[in-house]
Amino acid sequence: QKEVEQDPGPLSVPEGAIVSLNCTYSNSAFQYFMWYRQYSRKGPELLMYTYSSGNKEDGRFTAQVDKSSKYISLFIRDSQPSDSATYLCAMRPFAGTASKLTFGTGTRLQVTL
Amino acid sequence: DAGVIQSPRHEVTEMGQEVTLRCKPISGHNSLFWYRQTMMRGLELLIYFNNNVPIDDSGMPEDRFSAKMPNASFSTLKIQPSEPRDSAVYFCASSTDRLSNQPQHFGDGTRLSIL
Repeated sequence: QKEVEQDPGPLSVPEGAIVSLNCTYSNSAFQYFMWYRQYSRKGPELLMYTYSSGNKEDGRFTAQVDKSSKYISLFIRDSQPSDSATYLCAMRPFAGTASKLTFGTGTRLQVTL
Repeated sequence: DAGVIQSPRHEVTEMGQEVTLRCKPISGHNSLFWYRQTMMRGLELLIYFNNNVPIDDSGMPEDRFSAKMPNASFSTLKIQPSEPRDSAVYFCASSTDRLSNQPQHFGDGTRLSIL
């Protein structure tokens, strides 16, 4: 079983919809959680960064962490065609580059007009 | 500012040939990471360097893979001999650990096809 599980999709939604992307994990040592966005033929770019449980909001994006359930989510409000990309969750046990990042396999999102 | 620069963007070669992938990290970043991405396994860390020194190479799949970082502005990932199962997108990323929780900045990858 993988340490981080993520539904590969594709997830197709109409423009303006609320999108929910999720990851589950098995390692209870994970404390830092990230969401990366990857456009086709590009490298991943950091979208959101959260520490421990709770919510963090940035514009149309909200990251949510539930450590008791080992479950993290990314919500996108008022989705736009430009949000069409693959979204990867990533997590690590502690801060700093000495701590290895473990990625999910990514969920492909398509926002249609 | 220039981001992480990888070359070549695409590489197609025959099985058994030596492949060298190159990476120039962001200036001032002291950590460098090599990842491999496939549909089945997602993004996997192969090796990472801190201050030009290899710290963790436990993700390097076999002895056929080797990586070097001769200076702060250049790194190579070499596969010799290459095999069809090495076909993937290889990413280089860099970051700085001078501040906590700094993100990794990725290059646009090298798409490698071994025939």
